[in-house]
Amino acid sequence: DSGVTQTPKHLITATGQRVTLRCSPRSGDLSVYWYQQSLDQGLQFLIQYYNGEERAKGNILERFSAQQFPDLHSELNLSSLELGDSALYFCASSPRGGGGPADSGNTIYFGEGSWLTVV
Amino acid sequence: ELKVEQNPLFLSMQEGKNYTIYCNYSTTSDRLYWYRQDPGKSLESLFVLLSNGAVKQEGRLMASLDTKARLSTLHITAAVHDLSATYFCAVDPRSGGSNYKLTFGKGTLLTVNP
Repeated sequence: DSGVTQTPKHLITATGQRVTLRCSPRSGDLSVYWYQQSLDQGLQFLIQYYNGEERAKGNILERFSAQQFPDLHSELNLSSLELGDSALYFCASSPRGGGGPADSGNTIYFGEGSWLTVV
Repeated sequence: ELKVEQNPLFLSMQEGKNYTIYCNYSTTSDRLYWYRQDPGKSLESLFVLLSNGAVKQEGRLMASLDTKARLSTLHITAAVHDLSATYFCAVDPRSGGSNYKLTFGKGTLLTVNP
């Protein structure tokens, strides 16, 4: 158990709908990362938040958005869903943002993921 | 754009045998990570390699990093069934600091047969 909690674990929804995935980082971790894992694209970095602010952006679609709240939990919002959005969405966390020497030797810890199926 | 290539993508081994998984990447980096994923499960951190020549070992797995060749290897010694999983390498494209904006390889599906 990594200490990163994601809900829901499974979600089935229709095309065009909107869903919200929730992530609670490990206790004390300030950074949250969202990754998408799909059969065709593999594992892709979507976005990172550090202490409530967006820190880095990856291949995140405009239909997707995220935020990190004062209690450090994060939500990933997926809207106008398409069949191709079906994937396993991982949240990960780390103590810091990863920008300095203090992060040497650290890694990020992944949650169990949220399976999204769009039908 | 950073590219990370793993090979082989599929590996079927017999118990007791040795094998190596290779991870090549296309840009300068001194931070490389290996993860293990069981079917439908999360990613488990195996190794963090932070410098050229770094070598780390845990049980039957040993990972190394050659930053000049932009190559990391994951060596499996005397494989056992419990090692069956998908193994990913991931590269952090920043040197001297990290955003953990990792670029992952496609993964190597390892099956260890009795």
